[in-house]
Amino acid sequence: AQSVSQHNHHVILSEAASLELGCNYSYGGTVNLFWYVQYPGQHLQLLLKYFSGDPLVKGIKGFEAEFIKSKFSFNLRKPSVQWSDTAEYFCAVKGNTGKLIFGQGTTLQVKP
Amino acid sequence: NAGVTQTPKFQVLKTGQSMTLQCAQDMNHEYMSWYRQDPGMGLRLIHYSVGAGITDQGEVPNGYNVSRSTTEDFPLRLLSAAPSQTSVYFCASLRNWNTGELFFGEGSRLTVL
Repeated sequence: AQSVSQHNHHVILSEAASLELGCNYSYGGTVNLFWYVQYPGQHLQLLLKYFSGDPLVKGIKGFEAEFIKSKFSFNLRKPSVQWSDTAEYFCAVKGNTGKLIFGQGTTLQVKP
Repeated sequence: NAGVTQTPKFQVLKTGQSMTLQCAQDMNHEYMSWYRQDPGMGLRLIHYSVGAGITDQGEVPNGYNVSRSTTEDFPLRLLSAAPSQTSVYFCASLRNWNTGELFFGEGSRLTVL
């Protein structure tokens, strides 16, 4: 069965700090990987996705993620966070079952 | 385009009551799904559909029914509501997995007393 684990549940950073959110998945076959963001009071929006090719994926708002197949990981990074990045971040994985499974989410709080 | 439309946005039920959460999309998306969001548990897939007439169970299907009689609509039914079903429910759709972006509705907050 597919599963996704996000190790950081709540992260607090100051503006301009670097960000890395961990995501590990469990699935034996080919996967598609996603990061979504949910700003306060809003629904989820896609940050970036990995289907194939270059394992370093760039998304919107300066976010990037690296797919490391040997580690079953898809960590999200941003070199310098802003107060407006305060949100909840979700990693998600789709195998060949048609199901998109989300992790538990990481709440990011950026202090001005 | 209205995107993914969910109704109602808020609902309070008593234990044992039934209700239907409506979801409609006008983007001709084949794939539709229902998630529930609970604090500390992320989003959990309830049911999904890959096209009209086809539905399948997700991670937490118990207590919920779905049907997909048209491409546009994917209602979620609670036959006998329980307090454990208090949650925020999101409907989401996408055209196909080649595009990969799941479009979410604004959510329906359900409280079961």
